[in-house]
Amino acid sequence: DIQMTQSPSTLSASVGDRVTITCRASQSITYWLAWYQQKPGKAPKLLIYKASSLESGVPLRFSGSGSGTEFTLTISSLQPDDFATYYCQQYNSYSSWTFGQGTKVEIK
Amino acid sequence: QVQLQESGPGLVKPSETLSLTCTVSGGSITSYYWSWIRQPPGKGLQWIGYIYYSGSTNYNPSLKSRVTISVDTSKNQFSLKLSSVTAADTAMYYCARSGDDYNFGYFDLWGRGTLVTVSS
Repeated sequence: DIQMTQSPSTLSASVGDRVTITCRASQSITYWLAWYQQKPGKAPKLLIYKASSLESGVPLRFSGSGSGTEFTLTISSLQPDDFATYYCQQYNSYSSWTFGQGTKVEIK
Repeated sequence: QVQLQESGPGLVKPSETLSLTCTVSGGSITSYYWSWIRQPPGKGLQWIGYIYYSGSTNYNPSLKSRVTISVDTSKNQFSLKLSSVTAADTAMYYCARSGDDYNFGYFDLWGRGTLVTVSS
């Protein structure tokens, strides 16, 4: 299985901050990576697919980059609605898809 | 718009089989891949497996021996069976759409989830 490792596990930030979350794959996944936002008690919501493609309706302050084994999710100016947990997910192969362990973005 | 809704027992006894159904409304189940994903309380997400509307499946290797996913296109539903459950299978179970032949592998539409507790 391809292992996905996110860092940091927890991030404290203020409204207006630029926030970056990193996701590393145990082997190359080309650009087959998605990012999700999950709020307490809710299902995850797709933000980014194919490493850098923004899902329809997602604010432009969210962006994704990377290829191979290292990827980042950036929030250009953190908004109150963005405090949540973020997950990366690889879908490189047809055989098994895996998620990172999550990054919780907290209010500083 | 397309919506997904999970249904099934919220309590399952150890060693028994967990059975859930996901109903797709507002759109057709055909031409898409459909997945089950779970999340133990306070923990991260685990993909369980997917099914194509035609019936082909793929399962997480760690659960493969216990999982069966099936589809009923006439009812616009797909289902999950997980056998020989233990307390470790206690989780929120989500159904999700995982793309079509051109955009495959990420989850763009999710159900609200259903909590399944394994306990005697």
